[in-house]
Amino acid sequence: EPEVTQTPSHQVTQMGQEVILRCVPISNHLYFYWYRQILGQKVEFLVSFYNNEISEKSEIFDDQFSVERPDGSNFTLKIRSTKLEDSAMYFCASSEDRGANEKLFFGSGTQLSVL
Amino acid sequence: GESVGLHLPTLSVQEGDNSIINCAYSNSASDYFIWYKQESGKGPQFIIDIRSNMDKRQGQRVTVLLNKTVKHLSLQIAATQPGDSAVYFCAENNNAGNMLTFGGGTRLMVKP
Repeated sequence: EPEVTQTPSHQVTQMGQEVILRCVPISNHLYFYWYRQILGQKVEFLVSFYNNEISEKSEIFDDQFSVERPDGSNFTLKIRSTKLEDSAMYFCASSEDRGANEKLFFGSGTQLSVL
Repeated sequence: GESVGLHLPTLSVQEGDNSIINCAYSNSASDYFIWYKQESGKGPQFIIDIRSNMDKRQGQRVTVLLNKTVKHLSLQIAATQPGDSAVYFCAENNNAGNMLTFGGGTRLMVKP
């Protein structure tokens, strides 16, 4: 069964450093997403992406965050200058069609620890 | 603000019994609802969805019920198995775009 894959599974970084989280969405999907989950809290929406541009973003997705689809398969989330509060599990997701009434498939996540 | 929430943070059931996990939502504009299962160290896994023009949908061993009058969603798992042990999240989409709003999660523990 096709699945969303994320690398790395764990990322440890120093505060102020840049990190790039990588995702390979399901191949025929056109919509891509990043969500995050701080330990013990809800899964929160960060951003959605379609046709090489951001469709929606939440208040969490500030100027420190950016997303890119550098080639035909990868989808990345960059945090320019990490803060302690960025520590969380980051999930990539993709869907075949637009989100309303469209199920999302999630990857297994990247656990980001900012020290 | 409007949110999706859960009544019970932890549910413990005996293997073989039926489980019911509840979720309240407050956004009346939401028209699509999904239940996800999250096992330790993994991402949310789709279980079942329901649109607002339905009040019940059945899958394999799972049933989702939607009561729009009281804005309540439930997930029923029949003959609960140890492999069902996980955190279950409800999520909603308000047809305004691609964003899912997740509830806080209920941990289901299945006792052998």
